[in-house]
Amino acid sequence: DAGVIQSPRHEVTEMGQEVTLRCKPISGHNSLFWYRQTMMRGLELLIYFNNNVPIDDSGMPEDRFSAKMPNASFSTLKIQPSEPRDSAVYFCASSEISYEQYFGPGTRLTVT
Amino acid sequence: AQTVTQSQPEMSVQEAETVTLSCTYDTSENNYYLFWYKQPPSRQMILVIRQEAYKQQNATENRFSVNFQKAAKSFSLKISDSQLGDTAMYFCAFMRGNDYKLSFGAGTTVTVRA
Repeated sequence: DAGVIQSPRHEVTEMGQEVTLRCKPISGHNSLFWYRQTMMRGLELLIYFNNNVPIDDSGMPEDRFSAKMPNASFSTLKIQPSEPRDSAVYFCASSEISYEQYFGPGTRLTVT
Repeated sequence: AQTVTQSQPEMSVQEAETVTLSCTYDTSENNYYLFWYKQPPSRQMILVIRQEAYKQQNATENRFSVNFQKAAKSFSLKISDSQLGDTAMYFCAFMRGNDYKLSFGAGTTVTVRA
């Protein structure tokens, strides 16, 4: 069974550009999470979807960040416009039971 | 907010030896879960072990075991018979019961020496 799939694995972009990160959760999982990992702040929850509906987006840093989940098998995290301080590893995780979250391999984003 | 503290930034262990990672947490909740996640150089976050607060028995997964001291709010991870593949950063995490938010500690980097 495939795990959580994220693309791209690495993204390098210039400040001001739009960035879109993609996630395919594990089939059958009804919850999806986006996390950000930085040296300064560690792992932070950005947004949580349940049954494709955003339940908690309190971790989204600012209006430049948006996330969508158009169906049960796909989610995107978009940053527009990107800034150097957005450089981080972004993880997607999914779960069927809240306390068993399975993480994807992450996307390393570098904004120059 | 829950606070998870890992006081050991780095640890080194000889292959086949045992290493113990410490974690303390702060909560007023009675129902919660505790986790250890492993993040190897590949960056993947892998769930190593989970402990339910209502269970007195310490969780064990093969060479990984925990020492859960609820009154002391302590949750240490013991890696027995360390292998080179255990080299990774290990994160302690907390989740309230009936919740979905994981609160992570800062992590401990474990290096297994051949």
